[in-house]
Amino acid sequence: NAGVTQTPKFRILKIGQSMTLQCTQDMNHNYMYWYRQDPGMGLKLIYYSVGAGITDKGEVPNGYNVSRSTTEDFPLRLELAAPSQTSVYFCASSYSGEGNTIYFGEGSWLTVV
Amino acid sequence: GQNIDQPTEMTATEGAIVQINCTYQTSGFNGLFWYQQHAGEAPTFLSYNVLDGLEEKGRFSSFLSRSKGYSYLLLKELQMKDSASYLCAVRDSNYQLIWGAGTKLIIKP
Repeated sequence: NAGVTQTPKFRILKIGQSMTLQCTQDMNHNYMYWYRQDPGMGLKLIYYSVGAGITDKGEVPNGYNVSRSTTEDFPLRLELAAPSQTSVYFCASSYSGEGNTIYFGEGSWLTVV
Repeated sequence: GQNIDQPTEMTATEGAIVQINCTYQTSGFNGLFWYQQHAGEAPTFLSYNVLDGLEEKGRFSSFLSRSKGYSYLLLKELQMKDSASYLCAVRDSNYQLIWGAGTKLIIKP
């Protein structure tokens, strides 16, 4: 039962570098999400996707990009990393519809120095 | 704006009962979730309420009053492993989840 798998778990980036956080799910969920969680704050939605080929901005999309070429994969790209992007990133997935549980990956701790 | 309010931190004793409150002001309502998050780990699903009333699931229960914009999570027979943050989230009229900052629950022996 892999569920939602995201990599890497930890990464240190220098200001201005770029990187991609990988996310894959094996539950055939149509919805996928990327959240960031800062200390003492609630989860903030960065981007989400309701199906392959469709992506939408969430609450805090600036500085990020996503793609959804397959149902399983939903990578998050950070361009020109900034210290404000230091955070914990969670990928998640769910079936569509009211009340359906969101399943989270284990998180990726990113530090930009 | 949309807002979810929860206490920042609570302390309780092993074996006791604790109630974690959540109040919300959102544009529309399409369900309320409670998640548990241990330090350094991902949130995991605890409960879902969409109608008023109490949902019981073992030692955990969740209550919802839509007219008051209020929910609580009740944890009974507390165990040390219940030390975690508890996140309240509301699905708004656009079916987006709005998350509270979480309540850190500390269990003392």
